[in-house]
Amino acid sequence: AQSVSQHNHHVILSEAASLELGCNYSYGGTVNLFWYVQYPGQHLQLLLKYFSGDPLVKGIKGFEAEFIKSKFSFNLRKPSVQWSDTAEYFCAAPRAGSYQLTFGKGTKLSVIP
Amino acid sequence: DSGVTQTPKHLITATGQRVTLRCSPRSGDLSVYWYQQSLDQGLQFLIQYYNGEERAKGNILERFSAQQFPDLHSELNLSSLELGDSALYFCASSAPGDYNSPLHFGNGTRLTVT
Repeated sequence: AQSVSQHNHHVILSEAASLELGCNYSYGGTVNLFWYVQYPGQHLQLLLKYFSGDPLVKGIKGFEAEFIKSKFSFNLRKPSVQWSDTAEYFCAAPRAGSYQLTFGKGTKLSVIP
Repeated sequence: DSGVTQTPKHLITATGQRVTLRCSPRSGDLSVYWYQQSLDQGLQFLIQYYNGEERAKGNILERFSAQQFPDLHSELNLSSLELGDSALYFCASSAPGDYNSPLHFGNGTRLTVT
């Protein structure tokens, strides 16, 4: 993938609501996709990754993402969010043939108790 | 804990000054990446080193430079600082030899230029 875009800048949800954060990538050969999370005041942590195989990827803390090739999308989902999910979420993909990760602008998720 | 160590945690300095940010990668990781995170630009890749050699360059200004030492720690040098350089600077490392290895990030250095 050459570029990654996240269209939601800030999402506000109540606890127990379902979450879906959008991520679109531009085609660039082999597709490897990542979701990272940054909790307030902390470093980025890997949530999940897709390389090949089953397009539905399960990550940590109940998150999952679905790779839809026809839509160039890799949306992040969680059936029921908790207050502790309040964080910023970044979609990322490496440039073709490199380790350099390109990140989306990020989506801030605020979960209201 | 990601295993990537960055120092200092916070840095406050004046315009025109020069600072050095330090990063120790996870044990066994040969690659070190530097990223700048600011409110307006998001996460921007600056530069990557692999086993002491520069591997890739991103949006790094000419006033900025980096190096990776034989013990694999890395330093990012920022000179002639401007107000706009205020940001969070992250270092990350990854395992060698695999494009699919995820990045492991340090806690970052928050630079404030006054």
